[in-house]
Amino acid sequence: EVQLVQSGAEVKKPGESLKISCKSSGYSFTNYWIGWVRQMPGKGLEWMGIIYPGDSDTRYSPSFQGQITISADKSISTAYLQWSSLKASDTAMYYCASTGGYCSITSCPFDSWGQGTLVTVSS
Amino acid sequence: SSELTQDPAVSVALGQTVRITCQGDSLRSYYASWYQQKPGQAPVLVIYDKNNRPSGIPDRFSGSSSGNPASLTITGAQAEDEADYYCNSRDSSGNHWVFGGGTKLTVL
Repeated sequence: EVQLVQSGAEVKKPGESLKISCKSSGYSFTNYWIGWVRQMPGKGLEWMGIIYPGDSDTRYSPSFQGQITISADKSISTAYLQWSSLKASDTAMYYCASTGGYCSITSCPFDSWGQGTLVTVSS
Repeated sequence: SSELTQDPAVSVALGQTVRITCQGDSLRSYYASWYQQKPGQAPVLVIYDKNNRPSGIPDRFSGSSSGNPASLTITGAQAEDEADYYCNSRDSSGNHWVFGGGTKLTVL
């Protein structure tokens, strides 16, 4: 069974750094894309970026380029999302999601999701 | 364009059929995937590729991705189908992914 388990909720101050994690199990971590999705309070899903752990190919939404860093550690099947300087507007739920075995040339859905990590940034 | 557009809200009477649409340039090249999200829960994939359902998704959910817009149809909507629904695909370049703004489905 595929499982994505995310790190716990965080409360941070503006300007602080943060790295949240997403540990994968039940599938070959290096063979599928794993992405990050933001959901601000009461709002929709926003695709932030994605990484292919097999070769570390990493892509960012233009909306998030330069604001975040996505990485992965193959040795422990874990993906990361990090900020160097948080803002209050980063307050949101963050989900990791993997593309799994349904990915093809014409369709590459996120078939497994983590439980979400709530990040609150407040002074 | 890298955007997917959905109607913000749709309602359906219990047991009736409802269609939720998703429009965007990328759908000329890529099939839409559809996700259901209930309050306080992570999204769940319900339709992907041409019209495929992951294991455990009821067959009242179906998809149509021929052309633009793509659509998700729920035939015989149930109370438990009340949720937010999001479409998603790669963008036109194929290098990024994109989500629609979401449709809030109310079952009356």
